[in-house]
Amino acid sequence: EIVLTQSPGTLSLSPGERATLSCRASQSVSSSSLAWYQQKPGQAPRLLIYGASSRATGIPDRFSGSGSGTDFTLTISRLEPEDFAVYYCQHYGNFGLGTKLEIK
Amino acid sequence: QVQLVESGGGVVQPGRSLRLSCAASGFTFSASGMHWVRQAPGKGLEWVAVIWYDGTNENYADSVKGRFTISRENSKNTLYLQMNSLRDEDTAVYYCARDSSPIATLWRFDLWGQGTLVTVSS
Repeated sequence: EIVLTQSPGTLSLSPGERATLSCRASQSVSSSSLAWYQQKPGQAPRLLIYGASSRATGIPDRFSGSGSGTDFTLTISRLEPEDFAVYYCQHYGNFGLGTKLEIK
Repeated sequence: QVQLVESGGGVVQPGRSLRLSCAASGFTFSASGMHWVRQAPGKGLEWVAVIWYDGTNENYADSVKGRFTISRENSKNTLYLQMNSLRDEDTAVYYCARDSSPIATLWRFDLWGQGTLVTVSS
């Protein structure tokens, strides 16, 4: 089973700053099935990125994904107040434990 | 309006059964692969089960295999999760989610319901 390790566990930043979230797979995975989700308290997750780098419908262009093989990254170029949430990476039936992005 | 609405959650004793439903609207449900994903209180996401658009194929996480059954009724635009022999560790919010592919080859969950809480407790 592939294990996805997300880092850091918590990231404290201010609005306007750049956020870089990491997702590392225990073995090489297909980029086509690597996705990122955002979840706010009390809400369902929302698809942000699929295929490692394609934005889902309606997702602002400040969100971008990159990576291949075992290392993937979600970047938020300039944080907006509504971006503070928990972010999960996913590959097939496996999810990472999440990165909590909190306001500094 | 494109949406998924779960129902059927509640408090149930260990060893008992519960059936969850997920009503779909605003899109062609019969052409969509569907999943159940759960989230224990304060924890991360855990994939539970998947079913193809036509119900001919399904798969389960090891943690629920043999106890849970996913099914669908396309005529009613409804997805189900039959949960038997429930355990304390099954306590979670259960979400249904749409796969971007009819035969769930993409594992891209592009639409989620709001979730329904299942609490297993004596």
